[in-house]
Amino acid sequence: ETGVTQTPRHLVMGMTNKKSLKCEQHLGHNAMYWYKQSAKKPLELMFVYNFKEQTENNSVPSRFSPECPNSSHLFLHLHTLQPEDSALYLCASRPPGPTTEGYTFGSGTRLTVV
Amino acid sequence: TQLLEQSPQFLSIQEGENLTVYCNSSSVFSSLQWYRQEPGEGPVLLVTVVTGGEVKKLKRLTFQFGDARKDSSLHITAAQPGDTGLYLCAGANTGNQFYFGTGTSLTVIP
Repeated sequence: ETGVTQTPRHLVMGMTNKKSLKCEQHLGHNAMYWYKQSAKKPLELMFVYNFKEQTENNSVPSRFSPECPNSSHLFLHLHTLQPEDSALYLCASRPPGPTTEGYTFGSGTRLTVV
Repeated sequence: TQLLEQSPQFLSIQEGENLTVYCNSSSVFSSLQWYRQEPGEGPVLLVTVVTGGEVKKLKRLTFQFGDARKDSSLHITAAQPGDTGLYLCAGANTGNQFYFGTGTSLTVIP
């Protein structure tokens, strides 16, 4: 149990489908993140939320839509995805404060777009 | 983008051997972290180094931050199959932005 729970663990969706990824943490962290992990590439930061407010959108296509209803929950809504969007999507959280605080990652959602 | 390059990209060794992986950049970081990611899981934080030249030990793992805070190394003594995984470094700049390295995939053969 890492403290950050992601569901589903695996998702296969067609290019015309709409689906959502869910992330939940009860660590008392106020910053939550979505990262994309593709083969042979560094982790790519997608979105950052601090105290429920989006503070960073790293040039992510609009087919990815994040939602943060409270400090404990984070969603990533997906629609009309492309096959190249297939990847491991990781949610992470951090406490506020100095940069020495590390991320707590979830186990990820393995997404396959067909 | 502040690029962090890790080497080697892949490493396969026998149980009991020693190994070192490297994380290099042309940028200066205020702190640097190492994570291990096992198959099917998310990365797990191993250590954070903050001061140039700092050395931290975690059982058989030794982490070093370069004097100029641009690079780091991870040395594993007497590797075990449980050390198998993807090792990621991540550097933080003064703006509290983190940049992840390209990763080193380690396989320890029993």
